Amino acid sequence: GAGVSQSPRYKVAKRGQDVALRCDPISGHVSLFWYQQALGQGPEFLTYFQNEAQLDKSGLPSDRFFAERPEGSVSTLKIQRTQQEDSAVYLCASSLRGTGRSEQYFGPGTRLTVT
Amino acid sequence: AQTVTQSQPEMSVQEAETVTLSCTYDTSENNYYLFWYKQPPSRQMILVIRQEAYKQQNATENRFSVNFQKAAKSFSLKISDSQLGDTAMYFCAFMKPYNAGNMLTFGGGTRLMVKP
Repeated sequence: GAGVSQSPRYKVAKRGQDVALRCDPISGHVSLFWYQQALGQGPEFLTYFQNEAQLDKSGLPSDRFFAERPEGSVSTLKIQRTQQEDSAVYLCASSLRGTGRSEQYFGPGTRLTVT
Repeated sequence: AQTVTQSQPEMSVQEAETVTLSCTYDTSENNYYLFWYKQPPSRQMILVIRQEAYKQQNATENRFSVNFQKAAKSFSLKISDSQLGDTAMYFCAFMKPYNAGNMLTFGGGTRLMVKP
């Protein structure tokens, strides 16, 4: 079966524009995570869904960041009024369950560049 | 909060030789999971190996093995018989298994280059 897919792979936005990043998890995976990876750094947690419920959004850096997963499958990360510091790779991961025994499978990421 | 530190930003190794990547972490938890992930230049993160803190036996996966020292909070990755395809960024990561989100906390990464 297909792995985690993300679109677009690359996005260039002018400062102040809104962007929407899409994640298609592996079918049947309950848990979905978003991470932000700045250049040359490790990924940092943004938010977590279990099915359609957003159980943790403690990593979202500001109220300009919003994520949803309305039907418990596809998820969208939206960034409003983008700033240069938002430039990063945004990684999505899904897992069958939400425990350490359940491997997180990562997508290829969306590289966002804000000019 | 948990922190994960990888003190080696870059390393290189000759093909077929052995290399060890270091990782230390800080936590007050007793039960947790530790991971090594590989991120090739294509960017897709791949799980290399996983260690459960309550297991004293070090995990192994083919050419990859770990040295888990719980008291020292150290979790190093040994790659034996290095291959050109092992060239990648390697990230050490920590997870609290019973946290609501079970999110991963990553270190800053080590860039490994395998030379022919």
